[in-house]
Amino acid sequence: AQSVTQPDIHITVSEGASLELRCNYSYGATPYLFWYVQSPGQGLQLLLKYFSGDTLVQGIKGFEAEFKRSQSSFNLRKPSVHWSDAAEYFCAVGLAYSGGGADGLTFGKGTHLIIQP
Amino acid sequence: EAGVTQFPSHSVIEKGQTVTLRCDPISGHDNLYWYRRVMGKEIKFLLHFVKESKQDESGMPNNRFLAERTGGTYSTLKVQPAELEDSGVYFCASSLTGRHSYEQYFGPGTRLTVT
Repeated sequence: AQSVTQPDIHITVSEGASLELRCNYSYGATPYLFWYVQSPGQGLQLLLKYFSGDTLVQGIKGFEAEFKRSQSSFNLRKPSVHWSDAAEYFCAVGLAYSGGGADGLTFGKGTHLIIQP
Repeated sequence: EAGVTQFPSHSVIEKGQTVTLRCDPISGHDNLYWYRRVMGKEIKFLLHFVKESKQDESGMPNNRFLAERTGGTYSTLKVQPAELEDSGVYFCASSLTGRHSYEQYFGPGTRLTVT
């Protein structure tokens, strides 16, 4: 069965500093890869996705992620964080179903991002 | 365009009682998913509807959980009877068909507390 590992439960970063959140997945083939963010009281918002092609994908809010097949990783990065980026971040993988669409996603446990002033 | 909505936002019930959660997907989204996050754990897939049909219900914990999507629009998730371990946040998500089905839009969740 596929699995997603986010090794960092909490990460504290100073405002303006760079950020990298780690994500590793376990699956025999390349799944579809996603990063979601959940701010307090909000639902999960899709930050970015990787299906195929260019391994560096750009997302919303200035985030990017790089797919590295050899490392089974899909790390999320941002060059300069803002206080509003404080939230919980989830890495997820998805697979196709026979009907040609997506089945349920498999999530990591999430990483809480804390921004220091 | 309205997003995915869920009702109620919070529910507190006693063990043994019944609770029904509702999800209204984005209009036109044939795919509807239910997920659950138990405190301290990851978000887990429960089941997937394509229109009114259950495509995959492999994540449903047991037969105390019943999901329906009559008419292929909104969906309900009933827990009967509720147990303490059912406490958590229940998320609903929806998506279009085809390649766009991988972009799932999530609702704010229903926080269920069983006492």
